Amino acid sequence: DTAVSQTPKYLVTQMGNDKSIKCEQNLGHDTMYWYKQDSKKFLKIMFSYNNKELIINETVPNRFSPKSPDKAHLNLHINSLELGDSAVYFCASSHWSEQETQYFGPGTRLLVL
Amino acid sequence: QKEVEQDPGPLSVPEGAIVSLNCTYSNSAFQYFMWYRQYSRKGPELLMYTYSSGNKEDGRFTAQVDKSSKYISLFIRDSQPSDSATYLCAMSVSGANSKLTFGKGITLSVRP
Repeated sequence: DTAVSQTPKYLVTQMGNDKSIKCEQNLGHDTMYWYKQDSKKFLKIMFSYNNKELIINETVPNRFSPKSPDKAHLNLHINSLELGDSAVYFCASSHWSEQETQYFGPGTRLLVL
Repeated sequence: QKEVEQDPGPLSVPEGAIVSLNCTYSNSAFQYFMWYRQYSRKGPELLMYTYSSGNKEDGRFTAQVDKSSKYISLFIRDSQPSDSATYLCAMSVSGANSKLTFGKGITLSVRP
């Protein structure tokens, strides 16, 4: 009965590879988000989607491509991984009308070697 | 100046202490003020949120917002070892397309 789930939990990969992270929520929310948390715990929004439509794109390199097949899923594909992409990536969801109340997933720890 | 500044940490207190966590901000358009708690290796969870100025209490936790000073606080009474976590303040403007802007977080350790 996990509310927001992400796979995988850990991802270790080489520079230059392409990888994907998946997110699913069973809360009936219509808005989903991707956040990046760096090594200093600073949490910054990357993207938000509402009903499969991209709403926020926060100056993220176009190597990062989100995709929302339906409003319960939001995936993140990263091309040509760089060392600086190493971080924890969190998915979150909310109702569109209650964006201050976001529910976060457990995070995906990405390490690029 | 960053939009949201949070007191640097870490912070270590004895069990039972009153803890005060603070954030300041520069964007006067912020209307929603949140406190998230993040345990080690977990995702953030919403602890409390306040709309506009005022106080809000929930058990041992009290959130205060002073919009005139652009200052928010979270008070934890009778702190417990289970309160040991990173606390992140977050803020947003109201309306569609708003986004959460987080502080850097402060790590609290409550010693038994």
